[in-house]
Amino acid sequence: GQQVMQIPQYQHVQEGEDFTTYCNSSTTLSNIQWYKQRPGGHPVFLIQLVKSGEVKKQKRLTFQFGEAKKNSSLHITATQTTDVGTYFCAGPSSNTGKLIFGQGTTLQVKP
Amino acid sequence: DAGVTQSPTHLIKTRGQHVTLRCSPISGHKSVSWYQQVLGQGPQFIFQYYEKEERGRGNFPDRFSARQFPNYSSELNVNALLLGDSALYLCASSAGGTGNTIYFGEGSWLTVV
Repeated sequence: GQQVMQIPQYQHVQEGEDFTTYCNSSTTLSNIQWYKQRPGGHPVFLIQLVKSGEVKKQKRLTFQFGEAKKNSSLHITATQTTDVGTYFCAGPSSNTGKLIFGQGTTLQVKP
Repeated sequence: DAGVTQSPTHLIKTRGQHVTLRCSPISGHKSVSWYQQVLGQGPQFIFQYYEKEERGRGNFPDRFSARQFPNYSSELNVNALLLGDSALYLCASSAGGTGNTIYFGEGSWLTVV
């Protein structure tokens, strides 16, 4: 079945270092969405990318959607302790519209 | 405006019991989805309802059922609870349609002992 995979599973960085998580889908996606989940919290919507090759920025966060619309990345510049959490990518199922989530990348930031 | 509200926030049940989880979507949203999130994993799709009709079902046993009411609120029912049903159950609402952004509630933490 359709799968969405993320790497790495965990990342520990020193505050101020950059961080990148990668997302790959087994099928072409109509769009890709990114969510952040703080420890003990619920996933919070960050952004949606729709167009092939699209790049969007939110302050220190840069999101990219691949040309083939099968992969995506999230890059955080100069991490802060407030960036701690698990970042999920999710894409709609090709036949039902339900969201299929990756396993997430958990970011730890050492002050 | 209120976001997605879920109740209860935490509950403990015994194996074999049943549980009902409730969700009120964002005002104006007609679609409600349910997801199960086991510790350390991403949310897994259980059901989607739109305009009171089931629009999708994930790979979960028949012990899981749901419904949507005329006011678009929803209930998720799980019968004959197993230890493995312990998870965070997330409700998400959207305006409806493919590709719409979904907004999660804070979830219901279910522990089965």
